[in-house]
Amino acid sequence: DAGVTQSPTHLIKTRGQQVTLRCSPKSGHDTVSWYQQALGQGPQFIFQYYEEEERQRGNFPDRFSGHQFPNYSSELNVNALLLGDSALYLCASSSDTKETQYFGPGTRLLVL
Amino acid sequence: SQQGEEDPQALSIQEGENATMNCSYKTSINNLQWYRQNSGRGLVHLILIRSNEREKHSGRLRVTLDTSKKSSSLLITASRAADTASYFCATDGGGSNYKLTFGKGTLLTVNP
Repeated sequence: DAGVTQSPTHLIKTRGQQVTLRCSPKSGHDTVSWYQQALGQGPQFIFQYYEEEERQRGNFPDRFSGHQFPNYSSELNVNALLLGDSALYLCASSSDTKETQYFGPGTRLLVL
Repeated sequence: SQQGEEDPQALSIQEGENATMNCSYKTSINNLQWYRQNSGRGLVHLILIRSNEREKHSGRLRVTLDTSKKSSSLLITASRAADTASYFCATDGGGSNYKLTFGKGTLLTVNP
């Protein structure tokens, strides 16, 4: 049973560019959440997708957007990248929004 | 903002000793979860405790929850070098608030 998978594992971009990160949830899970983790900090909630819609959003600007597909996989898009967007981006999936969220290995984004 | 606050920020012990980490939070919750993170990689789920539970065990892990004090503790018994990692508590927001809010974590170092 595959766990949560994310791609790519690492990414280097320059300021102003756009990036798309991908996530496949754990088998049987229909809810996907995205988190940003800066160095030395805990993860910060970006948003959660359920039934292909954004159900809840954290305190992130509109430059951060997402999508969930019918197979429950998800994408995180970040436009107009800033140096401060450099972080580990984590995807988490769950079968019920009140239960355990299982995390993927993350995508490390470096913005130069 | 970060709801959970782990204490201590760093803990260094010898193999075989017990490690205790504490977490405080601010708002009502449905459940509290503990995660482990090795070297900035993905988060590994350790244990979930519901708001109506006071104590839970899983292998060498013991978690307590005191909702009146809005605090939780994680005890790792008979620690091993492989337990070296950052440990985070995460709370949901209660009700229909689905996001997990993390603290900055406790960095545990177990010396062989």
